[in-house]
Amino acid sequence: GESVGLHLPTLSVQEGDNSIINCAYSNSASDYFIWYKQESGKGPQFIIDIRSNMDKRQGQRVTVLLNKTVKHLSLQIAATQPGDSAVYFCAENAGTSYGKLTFGQGTILTVHP
Amino acid sequence: NAGVTQTPKFQVLKTGQSMTLQCAQDMNHEYMSWYRQDPGMGLRLIHYSVGAGITDQGEVPNGYNVSRSTTEDFPLRLLSAAPSQTSVYFCASNPGGNLAKNIQYFGAGTRLSVL
Repeated sequence: GESVGLHLPTLSVQEGDNSIINCAYSNSASDYFIWYKQESGKGPQFIIDIRSNMDKRQGQRVTVLLNKTVKHLSLQIAATQPGDSAVYFCAENAGTSYGKLTFGQGTILTVHP
Repeated sequence: NAGVTQTPKFQVLKTGQSMTLQCAQDMNHEYMSWYRQDPGMGLRLIHYSVGAGITDQGEVPNGYNVSRSTTEDFPLRLLSAAPSQTSVYFCASNPGGNLAKNIQYFGAGTRLSVL
């Protein structure tokens, strides 16, 4: 079936670097995308979202880019800090039901001091 | 701010036992969902509810039952636990309505082991 996946399962960066986490989605009907951060032993925490009528959205130190042509989503974290170390998930919603998010596999981000 | 509260945090069951995972939210959200998370995988939707009295199946519903008698509570029942149900279970809620507000808020999870 349709699914959301990630290109890179792990990413290691130095503190202060910028991080880019990628996500590919296959459901062309998806119209809403969310990035979540999950720290060890905790539930996913909302980071940023974007609708399909946008190609870029910025938050505090984070930017999400959406390329509908190639069905690609990315999360950019500026000036990465050790506290950013976590698993990052992208999720999509095809708009048919607001409770039905499809999650990607996840990328482990490790930030070295 | 309690948000989404799940109990218990940890549980060990024997094969064939039944139990209920509790989930409560105090944000007056219409929508609630249950996910399971297995090692190296993303979250998979088990069941969800778009309002009191309304539930529907997600991607992996077999072996689980849900009900939604109130807006606040959305319990997940395992009727006869199997080792394949060993996982971490997350409950989530979201306001629903306008797609712009479709942010799901997650509980801290219940770690379940079935022996």
